[in-house]
Amino acid sequence: DVKVTQSSRYLVKRTGEKVFLECVQDMDHENMFWYRQDPGLGLRLIYFSYDVKMKEKGDIPEGYSVSREKKERFSLILESASTNQTSMYLCASSLVPGQGIVYQETQYFGPGTRLLVL
Amino acid sequence: KNEVEQSPQNLTAQEGEFITINCSYSVGISALHWLQQHPGGGIVSLFMLSSGKKKHGRLIATINIQEKHSSLHITASHPRDSAVYICAVSPLMNRDDKIIFGKGTRLHILP
Repeated sequence: DVKVTQSSRYLVKRTGEKVFLECVQDMDHENMFWYRQDPGLGLRLIYFSYDVKMKEKGDIPEGYSVSREKKERFSLILESASTNQTSMYLCASSLVPGQGIVYQETQYFGPGTRLLVL
Repeated sequence: KNEVEQSPQNLTAQEGEFITINCSYSVGISALHWLQQHPGGGIVSLFMLSSGKKKHGRLIATINIQEKHSSLHITASHPRDSAVYICAVSPLMNRDDKIIFGKGTRLHILP
């Protein structure tokens, strides 16, 4: 079974703090994704990565950065947390052979990290 | 306009009822996904389909590519089916391999 794990289920931080959310997958997947999920807005893509050290902006990258130093690990960084970044953060991975190739592969999600920024 | 629309947004039903959740999309797609999210956040992929129909236990997913519409059915619904069901599509012209998500349907099955 594919397993996608996230470092924390719940996190409380203060405004201005630097926040690291980590995601690890054990299936040697190429693609990894970070989403945030807010009531009424559904899932929105923040960043994704299709290979080690490669990253692409999603729909709402502002205020976030990412790091993919190893294939299995994809980190989301909030450089200076703000209250509007209070949300549920979901990591996902999928097996995709390369950018630009449409590949019918499902995404596997982690359990989510509920972040509260005070 | 949202590219993926789900209906209803919220649904409450009695145990045993037949449930239908609908998804309409406006872009050409290579695949459509149905996801389930239980309270607590974890998301599970239920189906990925590009034509016809798939069945897994009490869950059935259908898709009509010409009409750009998919339905998720649950037969003999049970309280443990209570969750948010999310429809998502992989667009055909998908250079970045991104998936577009609907906002979800919150299903509550009463015992």
